[in-house]
Amino acid sequence: EPEVTQTPSHQVTQMGQEVILRCVPISNHLYFYWYRQILGQKVEFLVSFYNNEISEKSEIFDDQFSVERPDGSNFTLKIRSTKLEDSAMYFCATGPPGHLTRGEGYTFGSGTRLTVV
Amino acid sequence: GNSVTQMEGPVTLSEEAFLTINCTYTATGYPSLFWYVQYPGEGLQLLLKATKADDKGSNKGFEATYRKETTSFHLEKGSVQVSDSAVYFCALSDQGGSYIPTFGRGTSLIVHP
Repeated sequence: EPEVTQTPSHQVTQMGQEVILRCVPISNHLYFYWYRQILGQKVEFLVSFYNNEISEKSEIFDDQFSVERPDGSNFTLKIRSTKLEDSAMYFCATGPPGHLTRGEGYTFGSGTRLTVV
Repeated sequence: GNSVTQMEGPVTLSEEAFLTINCTYTATGYPSLFWYVQYPGEGLQLLLKATKADDKGSNKGFEATYRKETTSFHLEKGSVQVSDSAVYFCALSDQGGSYIPTFGRGTSLIVHP
């Protein structure tokens, strides 16, 4: 079964450093998402990306964050200057055309655990 | 706004016990409802869904019924197995809104032999 692959699985970084989280989507999926889950809290939507641009973003997704699909395969989330409160599990998800309007779910990656120290 | 509330975990059961994980929601439109499961070390996987009131989603012995009158979508399974140990997430997608799913906190299920 096709998978969404995220790397790294775990990253530890110092406060103030930049991190890039990577996601390889399923090949025919065109819609890409980032979610995060702070330990013990809800899975929170960050951003959706379609046709090489952001289609929707949450209040969490401020200027510190950016997304891109630099080479047509990887989908990346960059956090420019990490803060302690950015420590969380970050999930990438992808979907084929029409998946949301059909009431279908996403395919998620296994997540990257980011620890900011 | 939209929100999903799940029961606190962990839920600890013996094998073959009956499982209920409660989920209630608040939505401004006409949501589709989902249950996702996350097994250790893996991503969230769609377990089942229901797109309108009174629909029942089912998969792998799990089922949940979309109850508009109680705004609930409780997950049930008649006889759990050790392999069902995972974290279960309830989610909604508001078909009258942005469609982007809203998730709950997740409920951890631990099944002992």
